[in-house]
Amino acid sequence: QPALTQPASVSGSPGQSITISCTGTSSDIGGYNFVSWYQHHQHHPGTGPKLIVYDVSNRPSGVSNRFSGSKSGNTASLTISGLQAEDEGIYYCSSYTSSSTLLLFGGGTKLTVL
Amino acid sequence: EVQLVESGGGLVQPGGSLRLSCATSGFTFSDYVMSWVRQAPGRGLEWVSSISSRGGNTYYTDSVKGRFTISRDASKSTLYLQLNSLRAEDTAVYFCAKHQWEQYYYMDVWGKGTTVTFSS
Repeated sequence: QPALTQPASVSGSPGQSITISCTGTSSDIGGYNFVSWYQHHQHHPGTGPKLIVYDVSNRPSGVSNRFSGSKSGNTASLTISGLQAEDEGIYYCSSYTSSSTLLLFGGGTKLTVL
Repeated sequence: EVQLVESGGGLVQPGGSLRLSCATSGFTFSDYVMSWVRQAPGRGLEWVSSISSRGGNTYYTDSVKGRFTISRDASKSTLYLQLNSLRAEDTAVYFCAKHQWEQYYYMDVWGKGTTVTFSS
């Protein structure tokens, strides 16, 4: 059972916006602003995840501003606006935790662009 | 260009051992925290282990403590993960990942992974 809870799947049509939630506890998401999001293209086997948001709402250089992150209490969210076919994949949230585990991941959310 | 290339995966039997390697290039290896993350078949990502930039501090998820050892060789710009006493639940794709500078909170570059498969 993943430590962070994400919906198994979300879908949207091209041009629409979607939001993926990630729920944890006060020992991880709620206690620190160290939430990150990763995109993993499952239709490209042999590729590693790509960082798309770090420290709750910051985007690495080169990541589209269609991706945005936020946090409220113990829940973080990733919003993708202006959906494009290339956005399909699995999205994982991650958070630093005060437990001995150091880093937690969510179970992943499969995004389908209809 | 920053590159991480994992190797060393393979077929292992109960209680067996493997050493995974992650050859890096394109950045000053000894300046960055590094980690291993795995993905079991049909499952999500799981953080396995992290090591400080100079190797003095190591961290492990509870399920691998005492069985796995993370290390790094600055002269070879290579990260390692020694896997001992392997169990069926260790079957996974193992990714090597680079952190940004000295922080442990997120990984900005990932390798393509190497597969560890359990053979009964």
